[in-house]
Amino acid sequence: GAVVSQHPSRVICKSGTSVKIECRSLDFQATTMFWYRQFPKQSLMLMATSNEGSKATYEQGVEKDKFLINHASLTLSTLTVTSAHPEDSSFYICSARDQTGTISNYGYTFGSGTRLTVV
Amino acid sequence: AQTVTQSQPEMSVQEAETVTLSCTYDTSESDYYLFWYKQPPSRQMILVIRQEAYKQQNATENRFSVNFQKAAKSFSLKISDSQLGDAAMYFCAYRNSGNTPLVFGKGTRLSVIA
Repeated sequence: GAVVSQHPSRVICKSGTSVKIECRSLDFQATTMFWYRQFPKQSLMLMATSNEGSKATYEQGVEKDKFLINHASLTLSTLTVTSAHPEDSSFYICSARDQTGTISNYGYTFGSGTRLTVV
Repeated sequence: AQTVTQSQPEMSVQEAETVTLSCTYDTSESDYYLFWYKQPPSRQMILVIRQEAYKQQNATENRFSVNFQKAAKSFSLKISDSQLGDAAMYFCAYRNSGNTPLVFGKGTRLSVIA
């Protein structure tokens, strides 16, 4: 089935530094990737929609200058948390759907998530 | 905007018994999709079952089935013959047709008692 590989799975960084999270669709082309954030014991909240070759669309309240999203190819989208602060510590998850429908189940395939801790 | 409501923060069930998780949603669309996702402690999101709104027949996947009531905008998940491995967070999710994002409920934490 469709697989989305997300790296790193865990990262600890110092306050003020930047962290890049990668999501790759391994066996399908993802023209659109969705980025979610999940705080402990809470639900997944959509941060942004990433479209290949164009600028990402951010949800209200999400700082586009802090959370830089790049979707330069049909198989790779990246989220960079810039000048990270402790309040950015969270679980970040990407998801995508096979556009051709050959693997599609009308749902989305999720990456395994990245636990970011800013100290 | 669409919303998804899960009114049961926690549920528990005895092993081998049946449990039903509730979900309601709000939308003005006629074409949409509904899902139940399972999130175990690993936090990997796992699709449990899906339902297309245009289908009247309730979806089933082995021990998992749904009760889809379109007019009432209700989409409950029934887990039969519960197993210890079913213990997890369960999220109800909605999306419109097209390449649109999923909207999640707040989740229900299911415990399975041996």
